Amino acid sequence: DTGVSQNPRHKITKRGQNVTFRCDPISEHNRLYWYRQTLGQGPEFLTYFQNEAQLEKSRLLSDRFSAERPKGSFSTLEIQRTEQGDSAMYLCASSLDPGLAGGPPGANVLTFGAGSRLTVL
Amino acid sequence: AQKITQTQPGMFVQEKEAVTLDCTYDTSDPSYGLFWYKQPSSGEMIFLIYQGSYDQQNATEGRYSLNFQKARKSANLVISASQLGDSAMYFCAMRGINTGGFKTIFGAGTRLFVKA
Repeated sequence: DTGVSQNPRHKITKRGQNVTFRCDPISEHNRLYWYRQTLGQGPEFLTYFQNEAQLEKSRLLSDRFSAERPKGSFSTLEIQRTEQGDSAMYLCASSLDPGLAGGPPGANVLTFGAGSRLTVL
Repeated sequence: AQKITQTQPGMFVQEKEAVTLDCTYDTSDPSYGLFWYKQPSSGEMIFLIYQGSYDQQNATEGRYSLNFQKARKSANLVISASQLGDSAMYFCAMRGINTGGFKTIFGAGTRLFVKA
């Protein structure tokens, strides 16, 4: 497995346009996360999937943001009517349920992709 | 609410010396996991080390060790024998097992500079 893959790596768009990012997790991982990271800050949680079910969404995720994970495999994050404040690195991570991985319950180790950098002009 | 605090925006260390990166956390969850991740300039976050809240011993992974002081709610990362390739951003992170939901939260990070 080549790890977590994210596309596109860079996206420049004009304010008001829609953008979509794709994440392909490690194939055996059942958990998938989206984070947003702005310059000089740590990643901020956006949303989480267990298999195909979206189980948690941050209040950061306004109604312009939507994420899907059809069939529990790849995931997409769509931002509608982009704003300049949406400019950030969007990180995807996946993990295997610690119970399935044979580790302690808290050891939910995330494997991150390289991220998709969004610039909104 | 859960929170991670990293008070050192930047740290310098001489090559081959040890360095400690500070992390304090706040949670009401009695059961939680603590993590450190490294983010090089290439951008990809890399897992370094994990400590469970009920673990009796401090975690170690090669040159990395986690100085876990539960009563003080601190989880400092110690890097021994620093190498030039250790220059990167380092993030402390936490997941509350009972009340934290499914998310891992991160601190603001510390940028480490290793000098030759």
